[in-house]
Amino acid sequence: AQSVTQLGSHVSVSEGALVLLRCNYSSSVPPYLFWYVQYPNQGLQLLLKYTSAATLVKGINGFEAEFKKSETSFHLTKPSAHMSDAAEYFCAVSGSGAGSYQLTFGKGTKLSVIP
Amino acid sequence: EAQVTQNPRYLITVTGKKLTVTCSQNMNHEYMSWYRQDPGLGLRQIYYSMNVEVTDKGDVPEGYKVSRKEKRNFPLILESPSPNQTSLYFCASFSRRGQGTEAFFGQGTRLTVV
Repeated sequence: AQSVTQLGSHVSVSEGALVLLRCNYSSSVPPYLFWYVQYPNQGLQLLLKYTSAATLVKGINGFEAEFKKSETSFHLTKPSAHMSDAAEYFCAVSGSGAGSYQLTFGKGTKLSVIP
Repeated sequence: EAQVTQNPRYLITVTGKKLTVTCSQNMNHEYMSWYRQDPGLGLRQIYYSMNVEVTDKGDVPEGYKVSRKEKRNFPLILESPSPNQTSLYFCASFSRRGQGTEAFFGQGTRLTVV
């Protein structure tokens, strides 16, 4: 069984400040990990994914995430927040093989950016 | 353009009136899935389909049906909707890209059952 915990349902940062969204996972097999972003009234868009190739993963819009096996974490960061980053962010985990299609999502973190 | 198309985007209906939410993808993906999104609960899987005529229950299948008669379409059917099915629904199709998969989501259907 696999699960994802996102710490903080709401996070507020000032424009230009560091964005840090936390995700911890539980998986009985080596996981694939994902971050998705949902802008208002839109579907989910893939930001980045970890597939064991490299522990530091770079995604779109300046976001990156680091896989830390010892901490079972996959936190999302961006050095400088922009107003356009305001959205809801979901961390997700899947297994390998046939299990790679079974995405388990966290409950989401809504990011607000203060001008 | 690769996309997943859901219709309708918004729907208000009354309790007990059967409805269908359509989902279509143009990427020839075998695996498709339906999710519902509720505040504070994230996305929960309703049903999924591994291929044509192959479907299975997800985490919250009660009150829903699906069918997969052709690869591109995966409709979600609510035979007798109830107010607790008021939610935001997403259809997704999945590709295999190297290691891991990538999910492509539709724009969502906001359903209100009164």
